[in-house]
Amino acid sequence: GEDVEQSLFLSVREGDSSVINCTYTDSSSTYLYWYKQEPGAGLQLLTYIFSNMDMKQDQRLTVLLNKKDKHLSLRIADTQTGDSAIYFCAETSGNTPLVFGKGTRLSVIA
Amino acid sequence: SQTIHQWPATLVQPVGSPLSLECTVEGTSNPNLYWYRQAAGRGLQLLFYSVGIGQISSEVPQNLSASRPQDRQFILSSKKLLLSDSGFYLCAWIPPGRLNTEAFFGQGTRLTVV
Repeated sequence: GEDVEQSLFLSVREGDSSVINCTYTDSSSTYLYWYKQEPGAGLQLLTYIFSNMDMKQDQRLTVLLNKKDKHLSLRIADTQTGDSAIYFCAETSGNTPLVFGKGTRLSVIA
Repeated sequence: SQTIHQWPATLVQPVGSPLSLECTVEGTSNPNLYWYRQAAGRGLQLLFYSVGIGQISSEVPQNLSASRPQDRQFILSSKKLLLSDSGFYLCAWIPPGRLNTEAFFGQGTRLTVV
């Protein structure tokens, strides 16, 4: 089946940039997402990108997509303690349910 | 506005007991509805999804079942819980006509089977 891979942990200092990486296997992936999960809560959609785009920027968030390498990244500029959470990468071709990675736990050190 | 409700928030159940988790969506009609489970270190696993009343697709064979008795209601059940059923269960919905481009999640149910 289709697979989405992420590193499990990332630790950064407050004020630095965080980069969370994701790779996927489905070549028909059309929509790619980043979700944020705070402790004990559901998932919150952060941003998404279509496969015909290379980059999308939204305030402190920058999403980069390398479709050839099937690599997606999320950059958080000026990382704050409130950014500490688990970040999930997800993909779909549009006709299939979302497939999620295992999530990257981001820890921000003050 | 559309909202999704999921309850209970936490649940502790003994092995062998039944389970019923409920999810309802407000402010929309004919949504696609999903049940995901998040087990420690295993990310999000799709359990069931439904594109309409009475229509359930199962992604993973197990002792869980799902039902959609009403358009905006999705229920996850088990007749006899196993220890391995412990986890964080999330209900999600997709607006109609949006394919699977965006999913909105409930706050989740933390189930501990003891």
